Amino acid sequence: DADVTQTPRNRITKTGKRIMLECSQTKGHDRMYWYRQDPGLGLQLIYYSFDVKDINKGEISDGYSVSRQAQAKFSLSLESAIPNQTALYFCATSDPGGPSGDTQYFGPGTRLTVL
Amino acid sequence: GNSVTQMEGPVTLSEEAFLTINCTYTATGYPSLFWYVQYPGEGLQLLLKATKADDKGSNKGFEATYRKETTSFHLEKGSVQVSDSAVYFCALTPDGYNKLIFGAGTRLAVHP
Repeated sequence: DADVTQTPRNRITKTGKRIMLECSQTKGHDRMYWYRQDPGLGLQLIYYSFDVKDINKGEISDGYSVSRQAQAKFSLSLESAIPNQTALYFCATSDPGGPSGDTQYFGPGTRLTVL
Repeated sequence: GNSVTQMEGPVTLSEEAFLTINCTYTATGYPSLFWYVQYPGEGLQLLLKATKADDKGSNKGFEATYRKETTSFHLEKGSVQVSDSAVYFCALTPDGYNKLIFGAGTRLAVHP
């Protein structure tokens, strides 16, 4: 089984709809991240969480919110989706105090299309 | 601020050719440097990393050396294969933080 999973893998929605993307991990890592990928722009950080009670905004948090329900789960919500939020979304985890150090481990991504 | 600049793609090579993908960075302190690879339809995977100056990261025939004097971390492979076709991202973690800052990515296409 994959260590970092994301659901759904693909989603098409309409402008103004609320949508939630979910991420789960079995790696036991405290730190979790949400990124979006746009063609030619690399990945940009939306939100990150260092533990269940510590959530921080990234570079592009406007229009997004997150919830860290447990160490293993980190959800990203779009309260009112707009077309320019069409992108590929990735969840990642890390464990700086462990053997992998500051390496981040990524899920397979969710392709979101907002019409 | 912190940033990563990598060469624009796409890079198109024949099988067994030599590969270089340039990456330079701007950062304060002593960042860790990474190369991630994204195969078609998949998420990002760590390819290699280096955590201090003059360290060489290597994996699957790929290498990159952390050059602080030139603020570079160029990716090289001596003989590419069709299966190396992917998008390659250079990234850094700023000193004391655990947030990845990515370059724009370079698409590599290897033809038989």
